[in-house]
Amino acid sequence: NAGVTQTPKFRVLKTGQSMTLLCAQDMNHEYMYWYRQDPGMGLRLIHYSVGEGTTAKGEVPDGYNVSRLKKQNFLLGLESAAPSQTSVYFCASSYPVYEQYFGPGTRLTVT
Amino acid sequence: DQQVKQNSPSLSVQEGRISILNCDYTNSMFDYFLWYKKYPAEGPTFLISISSIKDKNEDGRFTVFLNKSAKHLSLHIVPSQPGDSAVYFCAAPSDRYAGNMLTFGGGTRLMVKP
Repeated sequence: NAGVTQTPKFRVLKTGQSMTLLCAQDMNHEYMYWYRQDPGMGLRLIHYSVGEGTTAKGEVPDGYNVSRLKKQNFLLGLESAAPSQTSVYFCASSYPVYEQYFGPGTRLTVT
Repeated sequence: DQQVKQNSPSLSVQEGRISILNCDYTNSMFDYFLWYKKYPAEGPTFLISISSIKDKNEDGRFTVFLNKSAKHLSLHIVPSQPGDSAVYFCAAPSDRYAGNMLTFGGGTRLMVKP
């Protein structure tokens, strides 16, 4: 099992550009999440999904969109990147229990 | 709204000694807490958890203590090893969202010196 994988690992964007981060899990988990990690801020929930075809907003959803067309994939989109979105992004998945499994992260820099 | 706070951003300990990482929470309604460990350039990994029916849970060198009256939990690592150097996050169930969402503390960077 690969667990949770994220693509890409690194990316540099210019302000206003768009991109999509891909998360895939092979554990048949129902729940998937996108977090961002900033120094001293811990992990903050951006969006989450409790099942295929469903998504919901988390703590910091502005500037991001998500889609979960297939159970194993959860996509995070930035339509018009801003420097404030420079961060490390983590995807996670879980069964309907509290323990979450995290991907390796995507380091995004917006200049 | 569940708040989880780790008031010590960093901790330095000598190899072989005890490391104690602390976490405070605000909402006493929830009764399950988790610790995650994160190495640089990797995602967080689940370390240990505790529910409120216990005040202590032990897994090898790692023990988590829960003080419900003080709304405080702590992670003890004994003996500390250089490989334990990482960022540790405590987490508690969030009361803001459907599903099993977690609220994370800001993290404590542990450095174990050889």
